[in-house]
Amino acid sequence: DAGVTQSPTHLIKTRGQHVTLRCSPISGHKSVSWYQQVLGQGPQFIFQYYEKEERGRGNFPDRFSARQFPNYSSELNVNALLLGDSALYLCASSLVTDYSNQPQHFGDGTRLSIL
Amino acid sequence: AQSVAQPEDQVNVAEGNPLTVKCTYSVSGNPYLFWYVQYPNRGLQFLLKYITGDNLVKGSYGFEAEFNKSQTSFHLKKPSALVSDSALYFCAVRDINNAGNMLTFGGGTRLMVKP
Repeated sequence: DAGVTQSPTHLIKTRGQHVTLRCSPISGHKSVSWYQQVLGQGPQFIFQYYEKEERGRGNFPDRFSARQFPNYSSELNVNALLLGDSALYLCASSLVTDYSNQPQHFGDGTRLSIL
Repeated sequence: AQSVAQPEDQVNVAEGNPLTVKCTYSVSGNPYLFWYVQYPNRGLQFLLKYITGDNLVKGSYGFEAEFNKSQTSFHLKKPSALVSDSALYFCAVRDINNAGNMLTFGGGTRLMVKP
């Protein structure tokens, strides 16, 4: 079975530009979460979506937005890019969300570099 | 609020020796606890989880973890380290009373296993 797939794998942008990152969850998984991992740090939670609705938001500015589609795939959008947005962006999927003890399964991420 | 601390940036161990990677956590309620491993240029791979019950949890690749409620710790262990275990290890927590499945990660511990 395919795991969580993310595209693109690498991306280079300049300050002020906009970027869209894409994620396809494991088949049957309805919950998708996004994390930002800055070099040398642990992942930081950005968003969680379940059944196309936002179920959680981390401490990130409004420049960050996301959505989930009927097929449960998801996009993360970042506007007005800053140098500090350079990071590995990880997508994770899980079967369900509410009060669940199921682990999240991660993709290999999109490495975003801002020049 | 929930938080995780991994007090060691790096752990060095000789192949064949036992290893321990330390993790302490803080949640307002009862925790779900997870360990993930990250290899270079890859996403996070799930190793094991603690939900309830036995304090010693067994996971993938011979890893296990010991939950200690009084010390709020969840240390990762392996009886005999392999060179291939060298990677970045992350401990994560979520509060079981939170409906969403947001994970809070520690800063990571780099494990170096030398032949």
